[in-house]
Amino acid sequence: DAEITQSPRHKITETGRQVTLACHQTWNHNNMFWYRQDLGHGLRLIHYSYGVQDTNKGEVSDGYSVSRSNTEDLPLTLESAASSQTSVYFCASSERRDYGYTFGSGTRLTVV
Amino acid sequence: QQQVKQSPQSLIVQKGGIPIINCAYENTAFDYFPWYQQFPGKGPALLIAIRPDVSEKKEGRFTISFNKSAKQFSLHIMDSQPGDSATYFCAARGSGNQFYFGTGTSLTVIP
Repeated sequence: DAEITQSPRHKITETGRQVTLACHQTWNHNNMFWYRQDLGHGLRLIHYSYGVQDTNKGEVSDGYSVSRSNTEDLPLTLESAASSQTSVYFCASSERRDYGYTFGSGTRLTVV
Repeated sequence: QQQVKQSPQSLIVQKGGIPIINCAYENTAFDYFPWYQQFPGKGPALLIAIRPDVSEKKEGRFTISFNKSAKQFSLHIMDSQPGDSATYFCAARGSGNQFYFGTGTSLTVIP
């Protein structure tokens, strides 16, 4: 069965370190997204991609970057982790731009 | 600024009750309104969605009511069950095909 997987499930890192969160989908979806989920804020869009070599900034992109070298993967990099980036991160994909998403199970990141 | 406002933050109902979760928006360019269900430790899962040219949509025990003039939409869960206990998010699609999410409602259904 097709799926979308995120790794690691949990990560603890120190302030200032570079961290990369992985997202891999086997749906062959062109559209991929990264969200962060925080209490009181719901889900906020960080970055998104509509295809290989395409990346776009979302609502809360400062301090994050993505790259899309193939259809299956959209890794999210925190250039220099900050305590404000402690959150649960969700990757999602969709078949069409105007359709609902399929979400991964999330990565809980703690920056100490 | 929250583009989609969701209420209540939490909700407790008895089994068989009909919990109602409400969302409101201001941007009239929004043109697709999905609801997601999220269980602890899992990612949100698409539950049901509606377009603004329809006033109501039902899928099983889940119903979306949409009021375009009031810029409001709501989720009703008929004959609620303990297994429906989860967090529910509304969302709206804007220009550029970006989705804006509500802050979530934690639903508890008591047996």
